[in-house]
Amino acid sequence: ILNVEQSPQSLHVQEGDSTNFTCSFPSSNFYALHWYRWETAKSPEALFVMTLNGDEKKKGRISATLNTKEGYSYLYIKGSQPEDSATYLCAFGGNAGNMLTFGGGTRLMVKP
Amino acid sequence: EPEVTQTPSHQVTQMGQEVILRCVPISNHLYFYWYRQILGQKVEFLVSFYNNEISEKSEIFDDQFSVERPDGSNFTLKIRSTKLEDSAMYFCASSDRQTIPFFGSGTQLSVL
Repeated sequence: ILNVEQSPQSLHVQEGDSTNFTCSFPSSNFYALHWYRWETAKSPEALFVMTLNGDEKKKGRISATLNTKEGYSYLYIKGSQPEDSATYLCAFGGNAGNMLTFGGGTRLMVKP
Repeated sequence: EPEVTQTPSHQVTQMGQEVILRCVPISNHLYFYWYRQILGQKVEFLVSFYNNEISEKSEIFDDQFSVERPDGSNFTLKIRSTKLEDSAMYFCASSDRQTIPFFGSGTQLSVL
């Protein structure tokens, strides 16, 4: 059984704060690490897929890094906005067609 | 932007009844998946489907579950005789060889 863990479980920040959270995953048999952003009652939105050790990806104010040797990925949000409030899920996986193993998510709440 | 569509958004059923959850994947995608999230737990993989057959399934996906792509556009999950513990949010997803899986917004199944 693969163990994918995210921390913290929830996070409250003020608008304008920068924040980061962690996903840890098995360092063996690594193929890809996926990040999703999920707002209640909506589809989980794909943010990044990362495959190479040392990968850094960026989308607007959100960025992510990957360390496959030690089995962790960080997601950073610069200058948080209320619209960033969501649950951020990481998932360990899977070449095409293969299963993803999800972490429990980090629920981010940004106060105006 | 293309999206994965799931219907219904909420399904209530009696224990022992059969339910069919429906999904319309993104049209040029080749890989299809079902995942579920029981309240308070992690998102769990159920099954992946490629080339008209199951490519991978989890221990959860027992004989009570089946999947079908009946007409080239829909992808369905059938639960033959629902149990209380089948109550969960069920997510459909699709991908091609290059993309991260795209998820639908889910069907909330409540078994009474």
